[in-house]
Amino acid sequence: DIQMTQSPSSLSAAVGDTVTITCRASQGISNSLAWYQQKPGKVPKLLIYASSTLQSGVPSRFSGSGSGTDFTLTISTLQPEDVATYYCQKYNSALGLTFGGGTKVEIK
Amino acid sequence: QVQLVQSGAEVKKSGASVKVSCKASGYTFRDYGISWVRQAPGQGLEWMGWINPYNGYTHFAQKFQGSVTMTTDRSTSTAYMDLRSLSSDDTAVYYCARDHLPLSGAPYYCDFWGQGTLVTVSS
Repeated sequence: DIQMTQSPSSLSAAVGDTVTITCRASQGISNSLAWYQQKPGKVPKLLIYASSTLQSGVPSRFSGSGSGTDFTLTISTLQPEDVATYYCQKYNSALGLTFGGGTKVEIK
Repeated sequence: QVQLVQSGAEVKKSGASVKVSCKASGYTFRDYGISWVRQAPGQGLEWMGWINPYNGYTHFAQKFQGSVTMTTDRSTSTAYMDLRSLSSDDTAVYYCARDHLPLSGAPYYCDFWGQGTLVTVSS
């Protein structure tokens, strides 16, 4: 199975900061990577798919990049409403879906 | 608008089975795959498996092969997830989620999610 490793597991940043979360796949997955945001007590929300394509309605301060095994989610100008846990997910037709362990983002 | 409405919370004894339903509306049910994802208390997301409502094809995470059944009823636009031989480790919120892309032959990332069903397993 392909493993997805996120780092850091948690971070604290100030409003207005730029935050970067990384996700590493144990094998190459091309650009078959999605990012989700889950606010406390809420359902996960799709932010980005195909590594860098922003889902409709998601603010442009969210961006994704990467291909192969290394991916990043960047939140520019962090807002209070961005407090959440962020998950990467690989989707591979042969091997199903796998989530990363999550990154909890808090406001300093 | 697209909606996935799941059945209510369940409390089960160890060794029992649970069946969670997910009723879809607002789109053509047969055209989009459904994944089931669970989240144990305070833990991350765990993908369990996927079903194609068009032909009933399923794809399970290796961990759940043999212990989970996924089915659909196209007449009522409802997906079901049946988990057997429950243990305390199965205590979690269970989500159904719809593929973003239609007519895919395999699981994809998900754009709409059900509200979640809490399954509590007690010994």
